[in-house]
Amino acid sequence: AQKITQTQPGMFVQEKEAVTLDCTYDTSDPSYGLFWYKQPSSGEMIFLIYQGSYDQQNATEGRYSLNFQKARKSANLVISASQLGDSAMYFCAMREGWGNTPLVFGKGTRLSVIA
Amino acid sequence: DADVTQTPRNRITKTGKRIMLECSQTKGHDRMYWYRQDPGLGLQLIYYSFDVKDINKGEISDGYSVSRQAQAKFSLSLESAIPNQTALYFCATSDSRDSNEKLFFGSGTQLSVL
Repeated sequence: AQKITQTQPGMFVQEKEAVTLDCTYDTSDPSYGLFWYKQPSSGEMIFLIYQGSYDQQNATEGRYSLNFQKARKSANLVISASQLGDSAMYFCAMREGWGNTPLVFGKGTRLSVIA
Repeated sequence: DADVTQTPRNRITKTGKRIMLECSQTKGHDRMYWYRQDPGLGLQLIYYSFDVKDINKGEISDGYSVSRQAQAKFSLSLESAIPNQTALYFCATSDSRDSNEKLFFGSGTQLSVL
């Protein structure tokens, strides 16, 4: 079974609008971490944001926020005020346990920002 | 200079050839990983190493082998390359002392097997 599911292969958003990229996860471990990475067309992988399973607050990093709904096992990425430079692939990932397991990635969502 | 360096950046090889992809890091991280990316499949883990004496198989290790020559070096070998190993390969590192232990990636190696 897939540990990380990203159901949106592609998304479009108008410049300056907000967009939500979906991510659901599957684990029975109470301790886990959730990550989002961005991959622009140049190919590099860029870390965006992290949410720990015990974190009380939703994580935020500038224009990025993580809508963490533990009961639903979802960790959606919200990008506010989209910019053309946000056009990229976005990957959700999870690490189960307290750090002795590797990251498992979803299949990604391609976001296109339209001027 | 890049903290995680992969060589080569691009490689074209023929079916049956042995090929090695190299990764070195200056971040002082103890953990290193090899992932491959295929269009529509995301990143899949090939092998990972939590320290110099530790090597673990990932979800798609068949047809690959690795060597952790030093804390800073982790190489990936394809013993006999086949066309379905054509992919973008990423090396990554992490620090087990980091509170969230995020991964830091190299720039990737685009491998084509003809």
